[in-house]
Parts: sequence; structure tokens; C-alpha cells
Amino acid sequence: NAGVTQTPKFQVLKTGQSMTLQCAQDMNHEYMSWYRQDPGMGLRLIHYSVGAGITDQGEVPNGYNVSRSTTEDFPLRLLSAAPSQTSVYFCASSPMDPSGGQPQHFGDGTRLSIL
Amino acid sequence: SQQGEEDPQALSIQEGENATMNCSYKTSINNLQWYRQNSGRGLVHLILIRSNEREKHSGRLRVTLDTSKKSSSLLITASRAADTASYFCAANTNAGKSTFGDGTTLTVKP
Repeated sequence: NAGVTQTPKFQVLKTGQSMTLQCAQDMNHEYMSWYRQDPGMGLRLIHYSVGAGITDQGEVPNGYNVSRSTTEDFPLRLLSAAPSQTSVYFCASSPMDPSGGQPQHFGDGTRLSIL
Repeated sequence: SQQGEEDPQALSIQEGENATMNCSYKTSINNLQWYRQNSGRGLVHLILIRSNEREKHSGRLRVTLDTSKKSSSLLITASRAADTASYFCAANTNAGKSTFGDGTTLTVKP
């Protein structure tokens, strides 16, 4: 199984551009989430979804949109890229939300630079 | 602010020694998980401890939880060079979200 697949692995954008980070999982997990990781820091939750058609905001949602039209896919959209959004972005999935104790499975990240 | 905070930020030990890292959190939790991150990769789940448990073991890993102090510790025994990585705790409340600490970077010297 592929697990959680993120594309692209690397991306350079100019300020003001928009783009979509893709995330797909093949484990039929209901819970999916997006995090950003800045240098030397832990992960901060951007948006999450407990199932198809349901999304909610995390700790740092401003400047990002998500949608969940299928169980498998959870794309993250940057509306108008800013240098402060330079970071590594991780997508994760889990059978249910973390309160149940199920581990999250992470992709290998998208490294995004905004010039 | 982060729910989980780890210390130390960095730890350097010799192969064969034990490594202990600590995590503190701010609010009541359902469970706490520890993850490992190798350089340039995503996080990998190591071990879970629920709020009604005080200690769990898995191979060379031992995790403790003290809910009265809102803290947890991860012990890696007989460390190996391959244990070199960053380690993160994730505090999970009943709100359905994980809150990660800033991590401990462990270096195990051969």
C-alpha cells in the first residue's frame, strides 16, 4: 500500500500566486489533517476533516482552504501565497480522530518556498 | 500556543546509553502519543498512552504519564545510532485535534 501520498514534494512560488497541495490516502481513513512545520518546531494544525464533506479549522487556518469531496483526497489550497507561508506541509490520515487513540499516518511532506 | 512542549530541545548520547525526553501539556487529554521523525521525512507513530494509564512499554520504549502534573516522558533504552531522529509528543483532547510539541532532537553517537 502507498499509504499517504503528497504531491508535489518541492515547490517554489512567488508572492501572490495560488496553488494546491495534493494529499491522497488509500487506507479508507475517515480522518485527514494538514499541518505545517517551521524550522526547529513542531507541527501546527491548519485544517482537518472527520469525513467526506466535513472540514474544520485548526490552529493556523488563515490563508488556506480545504475541501473533502471523497474519502481518499484532501487538497490544501493556498489562496494568495505570502513569504510567511514558507514551510514544510504534512498531510496525515487516521481511521478516526486522535481522541480515540488511533495513530496518524503521515506523508513525506511538501517543501514550499514563497519568494 | 502549543499544547505539548518537550525538553530537552536537543540530546546527544553514546550508543548503548539510555535517552529520556519529557513532554508537558496544558489541558486535560484523552491520550498522548509519541512520534519519531527522521530528517526530511514524515512522522511515524511510536507509542500511545491513554489518560487512565501510567506506564506503557513497547520493545526498547517506555512511556509514562502523570496526569496530575500534565507531563509524560519517553525513555529509549540501549540506544542505537539508528535512533538518531527528532521525537514529538502529541496531546489529544476530546476536541478531535492533535497538538504537537516542538520536539527533542536526539543524536546517538556510534
